[in-house]
Amino acid sequence: AQTVTQSQPEMSVQEAETVTLSCTYDTSESDYYLFWYKQPPSRQMILVIRQEAYKQQNATENRFSVNFQKAAKSFSLKISDSQLGDAAMYFCAYIGGDWDGLTFGKGTHLIIQP
Amino acid sequence: DAGVIQSPRHEVTEMGQEVTLRCKPISGHNSLFWYRQTMMRGLELLIYFNNNVPIDDSGMPEDRFSAKMPNASFSTLKIQPSEPRDSAVYFCASSSRSGSPLHFGNGTRLTVT
Repeated sequence: AQTVTQSQPEMSVQEAETVTLSCTYDTSESDYYLFWYKQPPSRQMILVIRQEAYKQQNATENRFSVNFQKAAKSFSLKISDSQLGDAAMYFCAYIGGDWDGLTFGKGTHLIIQP
Repeated sequence: DAGVIQSPRHEVTEMGQEVTLRCKPISGHNSLFWYRQTMMRGLELLIYFNNNVPIDDSGMPEDRFSAKMPNASFSTLKIQPSEPRDSAVYFCASSSRSGSPLHFGNGTRLTVT
């Protein structure tokens, strides 16, 4: 079974600075996708960014980018120019090629200090 | 598009009562997923459907839980009888095809007293 590990229960960063959230995963599949979801206090699950395992290029969405290291099974999220609205729980998630549901990490609580 | 719609947003019930949670996926999406979120266990996949057919219900905690998808635009998750340990946020999500992200509803917060 696939597992997703987020080793940082909580992270704190000053507004306008950069923060990196860690995620590692374990799988024997070669075809899979990785995601970062954001969950603010409203409890919405908001897609931040996704990465296809077959793509070597790291995904980027505005201030959000990933460092995908396939051999190391690592998928970290970098948030540049942190804003107060970035404060939330961040979940790393994995899904295999069969598209049989996301496996989530336990989440990282991101605090933005003004 | 209205997104994935879940109802009710909050549900408070007494132990032993039947609870039905509802979900309307995004039109055109052919995969539907039910998740449960708790502080202790995080986000757990309960069951998922593909083209209205249940594919894997191994995440359903016990026989008190059941899910149906009678058509492409509606699904229910039923708990009968409910117990206090069922208190959680239940999410429904849908996606259109392999490779496309899951879109989540706003969840139902269930409290069983």
